[in-house]
Amino acid sequence: NAGVTQTPKFRVLKTGQSMTLLCAQDMNHEYMYWYRQDPGMGLRLIHYSVGEGTTAKGEVPDGYNVSRLKKQNFLLGLESAAPSQTSVYFCASIPGGRGSTGANVLTFGAGSRLTVL
Amino acid sequence: SQQGEEDPQALSIQEGENATMNCSYKTSINNLQWYRQNSGRGLVHLILIRSNEREKHSGRLRVTLDTSKKSSSLLITASRAADTASYFCATVPYSSASKIIFGSGTRLSIRP
Repeated sequence: NAGVTQTPKFRVLKTGQSMTLLCAQDMNHEYMYWYRQDPGMGLRLIHYSVGEGTTAKGEVPDGYNVSRLKKQNFLLGLESAAPSQTSVYFCASIPGGRGSTGANVLTFGAGSRLTVL
Repeated sequence: SQQGEEDPQALSIQEGENATMNCSYKTSINNLQWYRQNSGRGLVHLILIRSNEREKHSGRLRVTLDTSKKSSSLLITASRAADTASYFCATVPYSSASKIIFGSGTRLSIRP
């Protein structure tokens, strides 16, 4: 049972390039989240999803797009990377959904460190 | 702005002492959760307290919740070097139980 897996773990981009971060969970969780964490700061919610085919904006959604085509995957895209998007990105998931018997606490991936030059 | 704000931002104590961290939030909540993050790693869930609970214990952890003051505290008793980490509170708003927002965190250092 791998839990939440993020790929890639590290990436360096030039300003204006695009990329996609992949988050995969094998726990059949309904809800998935993307957060960013900047040095010395807490996590800020970028986008989240409460089920396959649905996404919603978080606190800092600008410059990012997401897709949840499959329940187990949540993709975070940067169409035109900017230096301000240099950060560590964390994906997380919770059981969520109706009839969920599990405690709705987040299971996190190990993080993806992105540098935009 | 973030829903939860932690206080203090940084705390350094001697091993064996107790550590107390506080979290304040702005809107009504369904529950409040505390997480721990070791340097360079993902966050790990520690404890959850529901809005109708006032205190909860788990091992050396004690969490309190005061919904009238919109605040929570995390107490770690008999601290150990291995407790060195950053601690974050996360709030689950009553109005949107899926939108989990984190505070800015407290960096805890335990001196041997």
